[in-house]
Amino acid sequence: GENVEQHPSTLSVQEGDSAVIKCTYSDSASNYFPWYKQELGKRPQLIIDIRSNVGEKKDQRIAVTLNKTAKHFSLHITETQPEDSAVYFCAASNILSNTGKLIFGQGTTLQVKP
Amino acid sequence: EAGVTQFPSHSVIEKGQTVTLRCDPISGHDNLYWYRRVMGKEIKFLLHFVKESKQDESGMPNNRFLAERTGGTYSTLKVQPAELEDSGVYFCASSPDRVLTFFGQGTRLTVV
Repeated sequence: GENVEQHPSTLSVQEGDSAVIKCTYSDSASNYFPWYKQELGKRPQLIIDIRSNVGEKKDQRIAVTLNKTAKHFSLHITETQPEDSAVYFCAASNILSNTGKLIFGQGTTLQVKP
Repeated sequence: EAGVTQFPSHSVIEKGQTVTLRCDPISGHDNLYWYRRVMGKEIKFLLHFVKESKQDESGMPNNRFLAERTGGTYSTLKVQPAELEDSGVYFCASSPDRVLTFFGQGTRLTVV
């Protein structure tokens, strides 16, 4: 069935360093890849997304890359700050389907040490 | 604008009891989703409403779970009778277009 594998499950970095989280998806029909950030006790919030017709997208300190051939996409956070500490989820969906349901990875707990 | 709102934020019930979770989507969003995260695992899809109709309920675990969206506005998810493995965080989400998806803060359900 459809699944998304996400690695690593935990990641600890020093403030100012970069963080990279990687995901692999199985369904070749997937064409939309959002990333969500969930701070403790709060709702998952969309931080960046990418569609399958684009290879890379940047928004200030965060960027996402997509390799359709390898069915692989990654989140890159540069110049990390303590407020980046949270659980990050990758997801994949087929927005041309009749549902657009999101298939999530297992989540990565990112800790940024001051 | 107001976000997706879920009630209650926490619920602790005994095995065999019934619990009803409520979700108020963002006004005007026809698409409403229920997801669940169990024991630190991935967030899993449960079902999808378009207005009041169930579009996809392939993720519902079994017939102890019943979701409704009468009138196409708010939705309820009832678990009856609850089992221990139903414990987890239940998220509701809504979308105007099946692309951008906005999540509620979740209901943490604990079955003891």
